[in-house]
Amino acid sequence: NAGVTQTPKFRVLKTGQSMTLLCAQDMNHEYMYWYRQDPGMGLRLIHYSVGEGTTAKGEVPDGYNVSRLKKQNFLLGLESAAPSQTSVYFCASSPLGGGAGSGELFFGEGSRLTVL
Amino acid sequence: GNSVTQMEGPVTLSEEAFLTINCTYTATGYPSLFWYVQYPGEGLQLLLKATKADDKGSNKGFEATYRKETTSFHLEKGSVQVSDSAVYFCALRPNAGKSTFGDGTTLTVKP
Repeated sequence: NAGVTQTPKFRVLKTGQSMTLLCAQDMNHEYMYWYRQDPGMGLRLIHYSVGEGTTAKGEVPDGYNVSRLKKQNFLLGLESAAPSQTSVYFCASSPLGGGAGSGELFFGEGSRLTVL
Repeated sequence: GNSVTQMEGPVTLSEEAFLTINCTYTATGYPSLFWYVQYPGEGLQLLLKATKADDKGSNKGFEATYRKETTSFHLEKGSVQVSDSAVYFCALRPNAGKSTFGDGTTLTVKP
């Protein structure tokens, strides 16, 4: 029962470095999301995808890029990391909306990123 | 746009006390409503949900009723335990749309 798996769990970067966070889900979900969580600010949506090969911007997309080349994977990239991107990042997936029993999000355990 | 407003925290209670965390929402149509819980160092997980007006979601002693007339989905538990200490998020999701989360309410239960 893997569910949603994020790698890496922890990472420390220097300003200007690049990195990629990987999210993998084994539930055959159509929708995938990347959120960041900062103290006192709840969850903010960075980017999301409604299916393989598609991506869209969320509330706070600047400084991030994403790709969904395979249905089960959703990658979040930071091209040039900044201290303001220090945060905990959560990936989530969900089945298609609509109907009883659908609509909930399944979250990974989070990836803690520190940018010095 | 859609929005979710949660009772500000943190909330500190003694074990066996009654818990209420208020949640109100603004949305068009008839979204599904959710409470998620986040334990320390973990991701969010679904606690309960309701998909239409007057539905009551329940799980692990927690309950919430979808009240369309007051646009509310308040979380309640009759007797909290130390193990309930966590951050609680209220959320809504329109049919096939993106979820909107509240800012979260931190609950600490003391023995």
